[in-house]
Amino acid sequence: KQEVTQIPAALSVPEGENLVLNCSFTDSAIYNLQWFRQDPGKGLTSLLLIQSSQREQTSGRLNASLDKSSGRSTLYIAASQPGDSATYLCAVSAFNKLIFGAGTRLAVHP
Amino acid sequence: ETGVTQTPRHLVMGMTNKKSLKCEQHLGHNAMYWYKQSAKKPLELMFVYNFKEQTENNSVPSRFSPECPNSSHLFLHLHTLQPEDSALYLCASSQDRPGTGMEKYFGAGTRLSVL
Repeated sequence: KQEVTQIPAALSVPEGENLVLNCSFTDSAIYNLQWFRQDPGKGLTSLLLIQSSQREQTSGRLNASLDKSSGRSTLYIAASQPGDSATYLCAVSAFNKLIFGAGTRLAVHP
Repeated sequence: ETGVTQTPRHLVMGMTNKKSLKCEQHLGHNAMYWYKQSAKKPLELMFVYNFKEQTENNSVPSRFSPECPNSSHLFLHLHTLQPEDSALYLCASSQDRPGTGMEKYFGAGTRLSVL
């Protein structure tokens, strides 16, 4: 049974820091891995999708890497801003099933 | 707007009520999903529909009844719910092809409170 773990559970940093959020999964037979952002009480916004054949994806200040063999992904946020404060969710996909981690709650203070 | 619209955004209901959640996707996708997000728990997949056919029921109690009349609309009919069913219910869609996993797009969710 696939299990997804995210570390740390919560993170509080000053503005401007570079951050690394971690995601690990137990079964490497995945189609892709997706990172989402969720603001309090809101739905999910897709940030990055990495197919199983890819090693990384970049979008603006965000960079996500995938090491399928070791069951790990990292989300790198450069030059963090208060607007980045949210919960970040990692999810792995086996065809049409997304299995989610519990998320990392990020607070960036001015 | 993400292309996936959910209504209502908030719903309060008693345990004897019957209500329905609605989801509509404007992305031309062929698959739609219901997820449940409870406090302090990871998102849980409830139902999957491909081309209007239910392909996944993740051991969801029968008091939750999904309906997919076409590829663009998905409903979740609720009856005799319990307080522990209070949660954020999220709808998602994707354009799935055999052998691949495609990006999922989520709606803003319906915040349900069962009294």
